[in-house]
Amino acid sequence: RKEVEQDPGPFNVPEGATVAFNCTYSNSASQSFFWYRQDCRKEPKLLMSVYSSGNEDGRFTAQLNRASQYISLLIRDSKLSDSATYLCVVNKGAGSYQLTFGKGTKLSVIP
Amino acid sequence: DTGVSQDPRHKITKRGQNVTFRCDPISEHNRLYWYRQTLGQGPEFLTYFQNEAQLEKSRLLSDRFSAERPKGSFSTLEIQRTEQGDSAMYLCASNLPGNTDTQYFGPGTRLTVL
Repeated sequence: RKEVEQDPGPFNVPEGATVAFNCTYSNSASQSFFWYRQDCRKEPKLLMSVYSSGNEDGRFTAQLNRASQYISLLIRDSKLSDSATYLCVVNKGAGSYQLTFGKGTKLSVIP
Repeated sequence: DTGVSQDPRHKITKRGQNVTFRCDPISEHNRLYWYRQTLGQGPEFLTYFQNEAQLEKSRLLSDRFSAERPKGSFSTLEIQRTEQGDSAMYLCASNLPGNTDTQYFGPGTRLTVL
């Protein structure tokens, strides 16, 4: 089983749509969870951290289920500028600063 | 620009040559990371420094790869006897302790081995 698995994508959605990305991770010792965004041929940039209580930042909502080792990202009212690859990221566990990235899910928002 | 910087941005080399990349982290970030990213994949961890100490190394970091951070500021990643399989984007990231592990990435060095 891969350490971090994401929906393979790509997702092609119209402007204004709601889209959800799913991610599972295999390392139960992981303590920190993130969604990063990566534009084509650019570096990854932090979109948001993910907490057990769930967190929201504008149109973006992230959820974490530690029991199921599952992370989600919901984007509401999609904009053209949301088109990017979304990377699910977890750390290796307590005492480790290694981040493990999923392969990413590509989103294209269509006019 | 106060972000992470990397040099060069692109490098084309012939198989068997040695290459060296440089990373300048965000000022006062004492943690520095190297990752490799190939097409269609997420970044893969290579190694991590806290100040000048190299604390973690991935199994991906073969003996042809060496990384240094001699003064705890900038870092270099050297690849000796490059192979075509080394072609990738090499990303550097940095952060501060207690920053919930958020890492800030540089623009990367794209290596092409012919």
